[in-house]
Amino acid sequence: AQTVTQSQPEMSVQEAETVTLSCTYDTSESNYYLFWYKQPPSRQMILVIRQEAYKQQNATENRFSVNFQKAAKSFSLKISDSQLGDTAMYFCAFSIPETSGSRLTFGEGTQLTVNP
Amino acid sequence: EAGVAQSPRYKIIEKRQSVAFWCNPISGHATLYWYQQILGQGPKLLIQFQNNGVVDDSQLPKDRFSAERLKGVDSTLKIQPAKLEDSAVYLCASSLGTPGRQFFGPGTRLTVL
Repeated sequence: AQTVTQSQPEMSVQEAETVTLSCTYDTSESNYYLFWYKQPPSRQMILVIRQEAYKQQNATENRFSVNFQKAAKSFSLKISDSQLGDTAMYFCAFSIPETSGSRLTFGEGTQLTVNP
Repeated sequence: EAGVAQSPRYKIIEKRQSVAFWCNPISGHATLYWYQQILGQGPKLLIQFQNNGVVDDSQLPKDRFSAERLKGVDSTLKIQPAKLEDSAVYLCASSLGTPGRQFFGPGTRLTVL
């Protein structure tokens, strides 16, 4: 079964500091994509960052970066210089094009609170 | 560019009643998804359309849930009859086809009493 596990239900960080959210996944496929999605209190889910499994280089998007450890099936998200607007639920997800098209399998989420 | 539109935003019904949700995807997006997000959990795919054809409905409770996407654009998701455990946020998303790159609507929060 394809699963995504986020072991931290809640995290908090002070504004301007750095925080890392953890994610592990399980799949026997070799070709897949990993994602972090953000869901602010307004509920509109937004893509934060995307990583292709065949790429060794970790993806970065401004203050957001990932640490992708393929052998360990780990995909953590680092948020640098945290801002109040980063307060949201963060979901780790993956997609396996060959077997399940473009559907997303999500983890349970981590609620991140950025404190002033 | 207009985003994914959903209506209604909120709905409260009694158990055993029927309810329908509507979704209008981003123009040109061939793939449309309906997800169910129970409070405190990640979204779970209910059904995926490619144009007006069903690609994956393996997790759709077909005894009470139905969905259609006429003309490959708008989509409706119906629950008949509703159960207490159907209380959730129903998210619609659309995609051009890039794996996992989906655009989500604001969701419909359903409360079944």
